[in-house]
Amino acid sequence: SQQGEEDPQALSIQEGENATMNCSYKTSINNLQWYRQNSGRGLVHLILIRSNEREKHSGRLRVTLDTSKKSSSLLITASRAADTASYFCATLPQGGSEKLVFGKGTKLTVNP
Amino acid sequence: DAGITQSPRHKVTETGTPVTLRCHQTENHRYMYWYRQDPGHGLRLIHYSYGVKDTDKGEVSDGYSVSRSKTEDFLLTLESATSSQTSVYFCAISGQQRGFSYNEQFFGPGTRLTVL
Repeated sequence: SQQGEEDPQALSIQEGENATMNCSYKTSINNLQWYRQNSGRGLVHLILIRSNEREKHSGRLRVTLDTSKKSSSLLITASRAADTASYFCATLPQGGSEKLVFGKGTKLTVNP
Repeated sequence: DAGITQSPRHKVTETGTPVTLRCHQTENHRYMYWYRQDPGHGLRLIHYSYGVKDTDKGEVSDGYSVSRSKTEDFLLTLESATSSQTSVYFCAISGQQRGFSYNEQFFGPGTRLTVL
């Protein structure tokens, strides 16, 4: 069963705008990760946030985590056409497992 | 980029035939994973390995088997392929190597399998 669920399923914006994607999950986690997938390619790790962290930045990416609401958001600022991709959240449940559980993804289109 | 390759990259086969997909890594990572990706389902874990000869089932393991006889290779076998196994298969690796965050996974380029 899917742990993470991204919202929205699809998002279309203009270059220069900010893009926000949300992820909700069901059980307690060790960490939450975001991945990007360009069409026809494998996933690429973007950022990892641990359960005791609330916010993390990496370049134009900002991730927040609210463990009380079991939710996370990924913000891409000043988006570019090259940001067009699918974005997935993945959670590592507590309990010692090494099995990430992926959501179904948000398809982001950035129009030039 | 993490050194991870998959072979073949594309395969078309017929129902009932055995198929083996190979994942090869040059990073010496401990963990290796096989996922399948289907429209509307995202990525689902088939099997994973936490060391040589140590494997465990994932969410959708029925109809699949795996083997890992050495650190760098993780094989996924469909003993008798069915049309429902038409999918894109991704291998991933993880492990605390070269300062990377533990649990961060690196993905291969994928294998597109079509079962007719």
